[in-house]
Amino acid sequence: AQSVTQLDSQVPVFEEAPVELRCNYSSSVSVYLFWYVQYPNQGLQLLLKYLSGSTLVKGINGFEAEFNKSQTSFHLRKPSVHISDTAEYFCAVSPIANFNKFYFGSGTKLNVKP
Amino acid sequence: EAGVAQSPRYKIIEKRQSVAFWCNPISGHATLYWYQQILGQGPKLLIQFQNNGVVDDSQLPKDRFSAERLKGVDSTLKIQPAKLEDSAVYLCASASGSSTDTQYFGPGTRLTVL
Repeated sequence: AQSVTQLDSQVPVFEEAPVELRCNYSSSVSVYLFWYVQYPNQGLQLLLKYLSGSTLVKGINGFEAEFNKSQTSFHLRKPSVHISDTAEYFCAVSPIANFNKFYFGSGTKLNVKP
Repeated sequence: EAGVAQSPRYKIIEKRQSVAFWCNPISGHATLYWYQQILGQGPKLLIQFQNNGVVDDSQLPKDRFSAERLKGVDSTLKIQPAKLEDSAVYLCASASGSSTDTQYFGPGTRLTVL
């Protein structure tokens, strides 16, 4: 079975400050990892994904994430946030053997303050 | 490329009534998903179609929920009768069906059951 834990339900941060959104997962099989962003009243949009290769993955809007297999983590980072980054961020995993079956975390609301 | 379309965007009904949601995936996408996103939680997969066949409906409450994708293109999700706990956003997503393709999400339908 797979599960995803996003420990922080809300993260307040000032504009231009760095941010890290944490994601830990549990799985008995190898998985692919994803981060999605959801702006108010919109669907989910893919930020980045880790399938294989380099453990540091760069995504859209200046976000990046690092896969750490030993710690079963996939934390999302941005060195300098903007007001427009205010949204909810979801971490998800998908078993490699059953790709396209996604398991989502409960989400982290990023609130960027001026 | 047009995205995933969903309608209606909002629906308010009373408990025990029935409701239907419609989804039109991205053209050519073989795989279609319906998710339920309860406030404060991540999306939970309800049903997955590959063309017009059901791949996974293990988390679909089949006593009240039904879904179809008759021609392998658009899909309808129905709830009959609705319960208070069905209040949620219902998200539709589609993917091409290749081994590492991303899921693309629609804007969702927000259902409120009174």
